[in-house]
Amino acid sequence: ELKVEQNPLFLSMQEGKNYTIYCNYSTTSDRLYWYRQDPGKSLESLFVLLSNGAVKQEGRLMASLDTKARLSTLHITAAVHDLSATYFCAVALGNSNSGYALNFGKGTSLLVTP
Amino acid sequence: NAGVMQNPRHLVRRRGQEARLRCSPMKGHSHVYWYRQLPEEGLKFMVYLQKENIIDESGMPKERFSAEFPKEGPSILRIQQVVRGDSAAYFCASSPGARELFFGEGSRLTVL
Repeated sequence: ELKVEQNPLFLSMQEGKNYTIYCNYSTTSDRLYWYRQDPGKSLESLFVLLSNGAVKQEGRLMASLDTKARLSTLHITAAVHDLSATYFCAVALGNSNSGYALNFGKGTSLLVTP
Repeated sequence: NAGVMQNPRHLVRRRGQEARLRCSPMKGHSHVYWYRQLPEEGLKFMVYLQKENIIDESGMPKERFSAEFPKEGPSILRIQQVVRGDSAAYFCASSPGARELFFGEGSRLTVL
């Protein structure tokens, strides 16, 4: 069974600070996703990482993937209040019958304070 | 191009009743996935369907739950004889077969 673990699960940080969210997964997969979810809302796709060493950046968020270590990171630079949300990483299940079904971590609830 | 449409957005049922959740995928998407999200948890895969076929239902509870994606009309997730533990947000996602899933806004089921 593919397990996806995120840490921390809860994060409170001050505006302007930097921080990294970690996502470890237990078996080989060739696709890793980061999503953002606001309370009561759906999931917004942030990044899709497809290969070892992949790095993608959008605004204050940067995601990277190390397939050998089975680790992805989501780095937040100079946080602002608008980044407050829950962030999920998700890994493809790898079963050929599963299409692109994903296995999600429990999420990291981020609160950015003044 | 409308996104993935789910309805109802909120549904309240008493124990023992049936819940039907509908999902219309994005135009041109023939792959549909259902996920369940319990409070403070990530999404759990339930079932993957293509038109008229269930491809993978390994995440579906063995009893009371069923899903379909008919040739015409939306995909439906059906929960019979609901229990309080079924209270959750149910998300549908669609895909054109490429590598990205597009999620709907979810249906929040409350069982009294």
